[in-house]
Amino acid sequence: DTEVTQTPKHLVMGMTNKKSLKCEQHMGHRAMYWYKQKAKKPPELMFVYSYEKLSINESVPSRFSPECPNSSLLNLHLHALQPEDSALYLCASSPFQRSSYNEQFFGPGTRLTVL
Amino acid sequence: SQQGEEDPQALSIQEGENATMNCSYKTSINNLQWYRQNSGRGLVHLILIRSNEREKHSGRLRVTLDTSKKSSSLLITASRAADTASYFCATDRSGGGADGLTFGKGTHLIIQP
Repeated sequence: DTEVTQTPKHLVMGMTNKKSLKCEQHMGHRAMYWYKQKAKKPPELMFVYSYEKLSINESVPSRFSPECPNSSLLNLHLHALQPEDSALYLCASSPFQRSSYNEQFFGPGTRLTVL
Repeated sequence: SQQGEEDPQALSIQEGENATMNCSYKTSINNLQWYRQNSGRGLVHLILIRSNEREKHSGRLRVTLDTSKKSSSLLITASRAADTASYFCATDRSGGGADGLTFGKGTHLIIQP
């Protein structure tokens, strides 16, 4: 299985809602990532998990809360979002082999709209 | 933060022609990668070039890297309608994936049938 899956595909939420995005991979990868992509812009790194530990947080507001319950799963918990947080949220994974060169495998993304 | 800058931002060519996209970056890198994205969906990895490599080929793709100028180019030969997509360069500082990727602004490529 060489796929990264993301659910849901689309999400519409109000500013007071709490929701979660889910990402899953079964390639045995030990690094997982969250990126945010606004329309007509490149993806921007939000978080990096390596061996289920948060290793990078790119100064992301606390209304975004990542979680890595196990090596195959990555969640992004959303709370009190703003309309400007509307974007495509992309999950990726990579083998995380320090002595090697690692491409990333991306999921199809969750398109989030905050009303 | 953004590092790579793609040039041109948009490119429209006829099917069968070659398409060239350029990318510049600012900091030192371990490798540079190119990705394709169709209609705002997930990204697909195309090719990776290491910092000690100057040129790499994969099928109809040719990538060059000039670390002295901090620039790279992607050439797609004999373009097809299915190549219509956005193309992004992405730099990896550490190589192991620990730092994530920093993406350029992207080139939107349209192949006219």
